[in-house]
Amino acid sequence: AQKVTQAQTEISVVEKEDVTLDCVYETRDTTYYLFWYKQPPSGELVFLIRRNSFDEQNEISGRYSWNFQKSTSSFNFTITASQVVDSAVYFCALSGMTTDSWGKLQFGAGTQVVVTP
Amino acid sequence: DGGITQSPKYLFRKEGQNVTLSCEQNLNHDAMYWYRQDPGQGLRLIYYSQIVNDFQKGDIAEGYSVSREKKESFPLTVTSAQKNPTAFYLCASSISAGDLYEQYFGPGTRLTVT
Repeated sequence: AQKVTQAQTEISVVEKEDVTLDCVYETRDTTYYLFWYKQPPSGELVFLIRRNSFDEQNEISGRYSWNFQKSTSSFNFTITASQVVDSAVYFCALSGMTTDSWGKLQFGAGTQVVVTP
Repeated sequence: DGGITQSPKYLFRKEGQNVTLSCEQNLNHDAMYWYRQDPGQGLRLIYYSQIVNDFQKGDIAEGYSVSREKKESFPLTVTSAQKNPTAFYLCASSISAGDLYEQYFGPGTRLTVT
């Protein structure tokens, strides 16, 4: 069975501070994909990033960066210089490639990020 | 503009009634999905469809039914057999489930059953 754990329920920061969101996953699949989604107050989920298990290279995209470590089954996400518009719930998700898990996203419980001016 | 539409945004029903939630996409995506979100929790997969006229149960399919007669449409019926139907329902689509493309989500329907 697959499982995604986001231990942080809520993180509050002041604008311009960096925010790091933790994500730990469990899967028996040797090949899988990891995702981060953002859910603003409007409710619609917005895709942020996707990473496959073959590639542990960490990247930066604008103010977003991620740290994928297969050895610790972690896929952490960082927002640099946070802005009020970053206030949202952030979800980590996992999708495997076995018959049972193919194309199905397993979501964590989400982390509420509150950025105050 | 391409995207996913869900209607209505808010829906109220009496207990014991079936209700159908609409989901339409014009992205030409093959795969479509229905998720349920409860307060403070992540999304849980109800049903998904990889191609027209085919769909599979997700993790919490009991009390729900779907159809996929057209590529663009994937309506979800919440039946009276669903014990706790009040929730936020999100529809999503992706180019193809087989290649694990990212899923794009609609704005959601908030269902309240009393």
